[in-house]
Amino acid sequence: EAGVTQFPSHSVIEKGQTVTLRCDPISGHDNLYWYRRVMGKEIKFLLHFVKESKQDESGMPNNRFLAERTGGTYSTLKVQPAELEDSGVYFCASSFPMSSYNEQFFGPGTRLTVL
Amino acid sequence: LAKTTQPISMDSYEGQEVNITCSHNNIATNDYITWYQQFPSQGPRFIIQGYKTKVTNEVASLFIPADRKSSTLSLPRVSLSDTAVYYCLVGAISSGSARQLTFGSGTQLTVLP
Repeated sequence: EAGVTQFPSHSVIEKGQTVTLRCDPISGHDNLYWYRRVMGKEIKFLLHFVKESKQDESGMPNNRFLAERTGGTYSTLKVQPAELEDSGVYFCASSFPMSSYNEQFFGPGTRLTVL
Repeated sequence: LAKTTQPISMDSYEGQEVNITCSHNNIATNDYITWYQQFPSQGPRFIIQGYKTKVTNEVASLFIPADRKSSTLSLPRVSLSDTAVYYCLVGAISSGSARQLTFGSGTQLTVLP
């Protein structure tokens, strides 16, 4: 069974440009999460989808970040315009619709560098 | 959310048993304790979860004392490939309702030959 995949693995852009990150969750996982780790800091929650609906977006830093999950399958996270402080590793995770475990399956992450 | 405290780093040698302790003094009644492992350039991976006493799976054991204010992840006979960051997480589980995970700084375990 394929795991969570993320694209691209690395992205280097200049300040002010736009970048779109993609996440493909494990098939059948209704829950999809975005997290990120900025340099030297802890992994922080960004938002949570249940199917195509945003369940919790309390971790989104500002309105330069836009997440979508059309059709309840893959998700995209767009940063527009990117700022230097957006550099970091963006992780996507997915989980079963109803789980008695705090088990989320993480992708390998997208390393974003804003110059 | 209950705050967790764990050592920043630990060193061990191949073949030894490693115990990583996590402190969570403010754990709530409905909180579970979950451990994740993260290798470089990968996302975190679920290892084990427990509520009280002892839980064991094919990878690790989790010991939780009666007061649940701490927990210990035990890795038997570690190998070089167990070098990773280990995160202790505390949070509730609601049936049918998934929740975000809250990561701390983790423990960097380095296994030496």
